[in-house]
Amino acid sequence: RKEVEQDPGPFNVPEGATVAFNCTYSNSASQSFFWYRQDCRKEPKLLMSVYSSGNEDGRFTAQLNRASQYISLLIRDSKLSDSATYLCVVALDNYGQNFVFGPGTRLSVLP
Amino acid sequence: DAMVIQNPRYQVTQFGKPVTLSCSQTLNHNVMYWYQQKSSQAPKLLFHYYDKDFNNEADTPDNFQSRRPNTSFCFLDIRSPGLGDAAMYLCATSSTRQGTGELFFGEGSRLTVL
Repeated sequence: RKEVEQDPGPFNVPEGATVAFNCTYSNSASQSFFWYRQDCRKEPKLLMSVYSSGNEDGRFTAQLNRASQYISLLIRDSKLSDSATYLCVVALDNYGQNFVFGPGTRLSVLP
Repeated sequence: DAMVIQNPRYQVTQFGKPVTLSCSQTLNHNVMYWYQQKSSQAPKLLFHYYDKDFNNEADTPDNFQSRRPNTSFCFLDIRSPGLGDAAMYLCATSSTRQGTGELFFGEGSRLTVL
């Protein structure tokens, strides 16, 4: 079993749609959780850190369920500019060294 | 302003000809990483420095070496590039002493091997 798994994708959705991505992790001792966005041939950029209480940033909502070891990302009112690959990243400790990447889920928002 | 700067952005080399990629950071982060990313794959960690301590991943080929002469700079040396080493190389930093611990990436260096 891979350490971090994500919905395989790709997701093709129309503009304005709501889309949700799921990510599961195997190490119950994982400490920190992040969603990164990566555009084609660009570097990953932090979209959101994910907190136990859940957090929201505009159209984006992230949730963490430690008991079930999964993380979700919800995008409401999708825009064409949301088209990208979304990477789930888990930090195995709080020492900033052990980051594990999921394989990514590709999203295409269609006009 | 860019906080993690990689040079060159694009590098073309011949099979077997050594290459050095550089990374500098203005964040004063104590941890620096080198990742290799191939098309449609997640970034793969090659090695990282925790302060001056070098940590090599078990499956990183010996062909890949790194140097960190000071806090701000880190280099990736590919001693004898093969066709399979063509990829995007991403430098990233994080801090164990400040912030929320996330990774900050440079824009990457795209390596082509002829």
